[in-house]
Amino acid sequence: QVQLQESGPGLVKPSETLSLTCTVSGDSISNYYWSWIRQPPGKGLEWIGYIHYSGSTSYNPSLKSRVTISVDTSKNQFSLNLSSVTAADTAMYYCARHNPVLWWCLDFWGQGTLVTASS
Amino acid sequence: EIVLTQSPGTLSLSPGERATLSCRASQTVSSSYLIWYQQKPGQAPRLLIYGASSRATGIPDRFSGSGSGTDFTLTISRLEPEDFAVYYCQQYGRSPRVTFGGGTKVEIK
Repeated sequence: QVQLQESGPGLVKPSETLSLTCTVSGDSISNYYWSWIRQPPGKGLEWIGYIHYSGSTSYNPSLKSRVTISVDTSKNQFSLNLSSVTAADTAMYYCARHNPVLWWCLDFWGQGTLVTASS
Repeated sequence: EIVLTQSPGTLSLSPGERATLSCRASQTVSSSYLIWYQQKPGQAPRLLIYGASSRATGIPDRFSGSGSGTDFTLTISRLEPEDFAVYYCQQYGRSPRVTFGGGTKVEIK
Protein backbone atom coordinates (compact mmCIF):
# COMPACT_ATOMS: atom_id res chain seq x y z
CA GLN A 1 0.00 0.00 0.00
CA VAL A 2 1.37 3.38 -1.02
CA GLN A 3 1.70 5.90 1.80
CA LEU A 4 2.67 9.56 1.68
CA GLN A 5 3.72 11.63 4.68
CA GLU A 6 4.21 15.38 4.73
CA SER A 7 6.71 16.94 7.11
CA GLY A 8 8.00 20.41 7.87
CA PRO A 9 7.52 23.43 10.11
CA GLY A 10 3.96 24.27 11.10
CA LEU A 11 4.72 27.96 11.50
CA VAL A 12 6.45 30.24 9.01
CA LYS A 13 7.06 33.97 9.37
CA PRO A 14 5.72 36.33 6.69
CA SER A 15 8.27 37.02 3.91
CA GLU A 16 10.13 33.78 4.68
CA THR A 17 10.15 30.52 2.73
CA LEU A 18 7.82 27.62 3.45
CA SER A 19 9.59 24.27 3.05
CA LEU A 20 7.85 20.89 3.16
CA THR A 21 8.90 17.34 2.31
CA CYS A 22 6.76 14.39 1.26
CA THR A 23 8.13 10.93 1.97
CA VAL A 24 6.74 8.12 -0.16
CA SER A 25 6.66 4.52 1.04
CA GLY A 26 5.29 1.36 -0.54
CA ASP A 27 6.33 2.30 -4.08
CA SER A 28 9.19 3.89 -5.95
CA ILE A 29 8.94 7.60 -6.56
CA SER A 30 10.40 6.91 -10.00
CA ASN A 31 7.21 5.42 -11.37
CA TYR A 32 4.82 8.37 -11.18
CA TYR A 33 4.26 12.13 -11.07
CA TRP A 34 3.81 13.78 -7.67
CA SER A 35 1.80 16.86 -6.73
CA TRP A 36 1.43 19.40 -3.96
CA ILE A 37 -2.08 20.69 -3.23
CA ARG A 38 -3.17 23.13 -0.54
CA GLN A 39 -6.44 24.01 1.18
CA PRO A 40 -6.91 27.19 3.22
CA PRO A 41 -9.03 26.69 6.34
CA GLY A 42 -12.69 26.26 5.38
CA LYS A 43 -11.98 26.65 1.66
CA GLY A 44 -11.45 24.54 -1.44
CA LEU A 45 -8.47 22.78 -2.98
CA GLU A 46 -5.72 24.57 -4.93
CA TRP A 47 -3.13 22.71 -6.99
CA ILE A 48 0.40 24.05 -6.49
CA GLY A 49 2.43 21.95 -8.92
CA TYR A 50 3.87 18.53 -9.75
CA ILE A 51 7.19 16.86 -10.41
CA HIS A 52 8.41 13.74 -12.21
CA TYR A 53 11.40 11.79 -10.93
CA SER A 54 13.33 13.06 -13.94
CA GLY A 55 12.96 16.55 -12.51
CA SER A 56 10.33 17.71 -14.99
CA THR A 57 7.89 20.09 -13.31
CA SER A 58 4.64 21.94 -13.92
CA TYR A 59 3.39 24.73 -11.69
CA ASN A 60 0.17 26.63 -11.18
CA PRO A 61 0.71 29.94 -12.99
CA SER A 62 -0.79 31.80 -10.02
CA LEU A 63 2.07 30.58 -7.79
CA LYS A 64 4.82 29.88 -10.31
CA SER A 65 7.01 32.86 -9.41
CA ARG A 66 7.28 31.67 -5.79
CA VAL A 67 7.25 27.86 -6.09
CA THR A 68 10.01 25.29 -6.48
CA ILE A 69 9.35 21.56 -6.33
CA SER A 70 12.30 19.18 -6.24
CA VAL A 71 12.82 15.42 -5.96
CA ASP A 72 15.32 13.20 -4.16
CA THR A 73 15.01 9.71 -5.62
CA SER A 74 17.60 8.28 -3.22
CA LYS A 75 15.32 9.12 -0.30
CA ASN A 76 12.04 8.53 -2.15
CA GLN A 77 11.04 12.08 -1.31
CA PHE A 78 9.93 15.23 -3.03
CA SER A 79 9.85 18.73 -1.61
CA LEU A 80 8.05 22.06 -1.86
CA ASN A 81 9.55 25.51 -1.37
CA LEU A 82 7.21 28.50 -1.41
CA SER A 83 8.95 31.83 -1.02
CA SER A 84 7.80 35.20 0.33
CA VAL A 85 4.87 33.76 2.24
CA THR A 86 1.99 35.89 3.50
CA ALA A 87 -1.02 35.12 5.65
CA ALA A 88 -2.80 34.04 2.46
CA ASP A 89 -0.48 31.02 2.30
CA THR A 90 -1.86 29.64 5.55
CA ALA A 91 -3.35 26.29 4.60
CA MET A 92 -3.33 22.54 4.93
CA TYR A 93 -0.70 21.28 2.49
CA TYR A 94 -1.15 17.85 0.91
CA CYS A 95 1.14 15.75 -1.24
CA ALA A 96 -0.42 13.25 -3.63
CA ARG A 97 0.38 10.80 -6.43
CA HIS A 98 -0.78 11.08 -10.04
CA ASN A 99 -1.61 7.74 -11.61
CA PRO A 100 -1.16 7.89 -15.41
CA VAL A 101 -2.83 4.50 -15.81
CA LEU A 102 -5.98 5.93 -14.22
CA TRP A 103 -6.08 9.04 -16.36
CA TRP A 104 -3.78 11.08 -14.15
CA CYS A 105 -6.08 11.10 -11.14
CA LEU A 106 -4.65 11.74 -7.68
CA ASP A 107 -5.10 8.27 -6.24
CA PHE A 108 -3.07 8.45 -3.05
CA TRP A 109 -2.82 11.42 -0.70
CA GLY A 110 -0.89 12.24 2.43
CA GLN A 111 -2.81 13.16 5.56
CA GLY A 112 -1.79 16.80 5.16
CA THR A 113 0.16 19.22 7.28
CA LEU A 114 -1.12 22.58 8.49
CA VAL A 115 1.18 25.53 7.86
CA THR A 116 0.43 28.89 9.42
CA ALA A 117 2.11 32.04 8.14
CA SER A 118 2.31 34.39 11.09
CA SER A 119 4.83 36.42 13.03
CA GLU B 1 -7.42 28.62 -17.96
CA ILE B 2 -10.23 26.12 -17.41
CA VAL B 3 -12.58 27.05 -14.56
CA LEU B 4 -14.72 24.34 -12.99
CA THR B 5 -17.97 25.54 -11.40
CA GLN B 6 -19.75 23.16 -9.06
CA SER B 7 -23.39 23.46 -8.14
CA PRO B 8 -25.16 23.63 -5.88
CA GLY B 9 -22.79 24.90 -3.22
CA THR B 10 -24.71 22.97 -0.58
CA LEU B 11 -27.16 20.12 -1.01
CA SER B 12 -29.42 19.31 1.96
CA LEU B 13 -30.82 15.80 1.73
CA SER B 14 -31.94 12.92 3.92
CA PRO B 15 -30.38 9.45 4.07
CA GLY B 16 -31.83 7.26 1.34
CA GLU B 17 -32.37 10.16 -1.05
CA ARG B 18 -30.66 10.64 -4.39
CA ALA B 19 -27.94 13.29 -4.75
CA THR B 20 -27.08 14.92 -8.06
CA LEU B 21 -23.98 17.12 -8.15
CA SER B 22 -22.97 19.21 -11.14
CA CYS B 23 -19.55 20.24 -12.43
CA ARG B 24 -19.47 22.65 -15.36
CA ALA B 25 -16.26 23.57 -17.19
CA SER B 26 -15.56 26.89 -18.88
CA GLN B 27 -14.03 25.00 -21.83
CA THR B 28 -14.33 21.47 -23.15
CA VAL B 29 -12.69 18.88 -20.92
CA SER B 30 -11.73 15.46 -22.15
CA SER B 31 -13.92 12.96 -20.33
CA SER B 32 -10.83 10.91 -19.66
CA TYR B 33 -9.50 13.62 -17.40
CA LEU B 34 -12.54 14.53 -15.30
CA ILE B 35 -12.23 13.25 -11.76
CA TRP B 36 -14.32 13.36 -8.55
CA TYR B 37 -13.13 13.28 -4.93
CA GLN B 38 -14.86 13.05 -1.56
CA GLN B 39 -13.55 14.88 1.48
CA LYS B 40 -14.72 14.42 5.04
CA PRO B 41 -13.85 16.84 7.87
CA GLY B 42 -10.27 16.48 9.04
CA GLN B 43 -9.38 14.08 6.23
CA ALA B 44 -7.56 14.25 2.94
CA PRO B 45 -9.64 13.98 -0.22
CA ARG B 46 -10.39 10.45 -1.41
CA LEU B 47 -10.57 9.42 -5.06
CA LEU B 48 -14.09 8.42 -6.09
CA ILE B 49 -14.39 8.58 -9.88
CA TYR B 50 -11.81 8.91 -12.66
CA GLY B 51 -12.28 9.14 -16.40
CA ALA B 52 -15.63 10.81 -15.69
CA SER B 53 -17.38 7.49 -14.98
CA SER B 54 -15.00 4.83 -13.64
CA ARG B 55 -15.24 4.07 -9.94
CA ALA B 56 -11.99 3.86 -8.01
CA THR B 57 -11.11 0.71 -6.09
CA GLY B 58 -13.45 0.10 -3.16
CA ILE B 59 -16.00 2.76 -4.11
CA PRO B 60 -19.60 1.49 -3.76
CA ASP B 61 -21.75 1.29 -6.87
CA ARG B 62 -24.21 3.83 -5.49
CA PHE B 63 -21.67 6.40 -6.74
CA SER B 64 -21.73 7.06 -10.46
CA GLY B 65 -20.28 9.67 -12.76
CA SER B 66 -21.41 10.83 -16.17
CA GLY B 67 -21.10 13.63 -18.66
CA SER B 68 -18.96 14.97 -21.46
CA GLY B 69 -17.73 18.20 -22.97
CA THR B 70 -18.39 20.88 -20.39
CA ASP B 71 -21.07 19.25 -18.22
CA PHE B 72 -20.38 16.46 -15.77
CA THR B 73 -22.46 14.90 -13.00
CA LEU B 74 -21.80 12.88 -9.88
CA THR B 75 -24.80 10.90 -8.68
CA ILE B 76 -25.20 9.15 -5.36
CA SER B 77 -28.20 6.88 -5.83
CA ARG B 78 -29.17 6.41 -2.19
CA LEU B 79 -27.34 8.46 0.43
CA GLU B 80 -25.79 6.54 3.29
CA PRO B 81 -24.84 8.34 6.54
CA GLU B 82 -21.15 8.14 5.60
CA ASP B 83 -21.76 9.94 2.29
CA PHE B 84 -22.37 13.33 3.88
CA ALA B 85 -19.21 15.18 2.93
CA VAL B 86 -17.77 17.69 0.46
CA TYR B 87 -17.30 16.61 -3.14
CA TYR B 88 -14.81 18.13 -5.59
CA CYS B 89 -14.44 17.73 -9.32
CA GLN B 90 -11.04 18.12 -10.95
CA GLN B 91 -9.71 18.27 -14.49
CA TYR B 92 -6.27 17.30 -15.73
CA GLY B 93 -4.78 18.61 -18.89
CA ARG B 94 -4.74 22.28 -19.80
CA SER B 95 -2.76 24.94 -18.02
CA PRO B 96 -2.90 24.92 -15.15
CA ARG B 97 -2.47 21.17 -15.51
CA VAL B 98 -4.73 20.48 -12.54
CA THR B 99 -7.84 22.51 -11.65
CA PHE B 100 -10.39 21.83 -8.92
CA GLY B 101 -13.98 22.95 -8.67
CA GLY B 102 -15.09 24.88 -5.61
CA GLY B 103 -16.83 21.88 -4.07
CA THR B 104 -20.37 20.82 -3.18
CA LYS B 105 -21.23 20.09 0.43
CA VAL B 106 -23.79 17.34 0.91
CA GLU B 107 -25.35 17.84 4.32
CA ILE B 108 -28.01 16.05 6.32
CA LYS B 109 -31.41 17.70 6.05
